[in-house]
Order: sequence, then structure tokens, then C-alpha cells
Amino acid sequence: DTGVSQNPRHKITKRGQNVTFRCDPISEHNRLYWYRQTLGQGPEFLTYFQNEAQLEKSRLLSDRFSAERPKGSFSTLEIQRTEQGDSAMYLCASRTTEMKGTSGGNEQFFGPGTRLTVL
Amino acid sequence: EDKVVQSPLSLVVHEGDTVTLNCSYEVTNFRSLLWYKQEKKAPTFLFMLTSSGIEKKSGRLSNILDKKELFSILNITATQTGDSAIYLCAVNTNAGKSTFGDGTTLTVKP
Repeated sequence: DTGVSQNPRHKITKRGQNVTFRCDPISEHNRLYWYRQTLGQGPEFLTYFQNEAQLEKSRLLSDRFSAERPKGSFSTLEIQRTEQGDSAMYLCASRTTEMKGTSGGNEQFFGPGTRLTVL
Repeated sequence: EDKVVQSPLSLVVHEGDTVTLNCSYEVTNFRSLLWYKQEKKAPTFLFMLTSSGIEKKSGRLSNILDKKELFSILNITATQTGDSAIYLCAVNTNAGKSTFGDGTTLTVKP
């Protein structure tokens, strides 16, 4: 399978614990995005990377959230001191910046997501 | 702050009906507008437009972008039960950021 993969698929944790999610993008994609999605809403942008550089972070991302993409391949998203309001689906997506396909490279390919439940 | 607004929030139709989904946006440094379909899992790409115009796909779906009035329309004709999904509109900026709307949930009844 050469698509975007995310691990774990589900995570249940207690309030106050730290959690870390991993995303493996499509191998030739240089851009990687993290989103949070709750029921009835579209994906909310959190942050994105071009190769290993983190180019933008949303104001939604409090100091409890951090993301890394150390070698420009896989990425991790860590949430420290989780709160019940952090319960959501965390989606990762990747894309290329090369002009290709019907979307000219603009299309993002999404992973299956990690569903976080904070008790 | 960049904003994408979709309407209606939800829509229930019968097979064979035609539906129109709306997306309006206010973003800085617009690059492209994309439509995605989300069923039970992650969104999958449908359309992308960068300039005003019409693009058709698979014959029943068409997409219009009006960059002057800052909106896009997704039309689905002769709807089928398999079209039931959440339809998401997203706008990309030149800075690389993507902003999504909250989606329109379409239910097509047999």
C-alpha cells in the first residue's frame, strides 16, 4: 500500500496524559499537513511541513501541541497534558508541489486518521 | 483570517434528483479551490480549479468557480445512493495553507 498511513488508528487516554501520533506520507510527497476534525465540521488546519521545515502553525495549536518531521519523511504530532476537548479525529495528508495530475499537484492525499478519545 | 463557508449544511434528496452545493470563501492569496468527498473515512479528491470556469467529471458532476464573486458550486445530476457523503470545499493559498469548509452532508434516498 503506497498511500498515507497513520498510527495508531485509535487512542484512548486519560486526561492529563501525553499522546503521540505518527504519519507516514506518500514517499515522493514533500508537503505534509496535520488537521483535526470533529463531528459535523470540516478538517481544521493545524500545521504543515515542506520537507523537514514547519512552515505554518495554526492559532488552534496551543503550546501543548507540537509536530515534527525530522528527516522530511514521517511526521509525529504530540499532545501534552491532554484535555477532553482534544477528543477528535486527527488527519494527516500529503501532497507534492510538482505540477502533476488533474490537480496540478494541489490535491492532498489523506490518511485514515487517528481517533483520539480523552476520558 | 481565511474563511470557507458551505451551504446547505445538509441535504436529503431522492435518487434521480439534481443537487447544488455551494461554497463561498474569503482568503488571502488564493491559489486554488478543491472539492473532496468524504464517506466514512478520509476525504478523497474530486475537483480542482484555479481560474473561473467549469470542469466536468464522470458526466454527472460539474464544478463552477467564480473568482470575482468568490464562490464555487458543485452540481450533481441524476443522483445515486452512492453519492451519499459529506462534500468538502477547500481553498489553498499561495502560502501553502489549506482551509476547509464544514461540509455539506448529502443523503440520497432510493
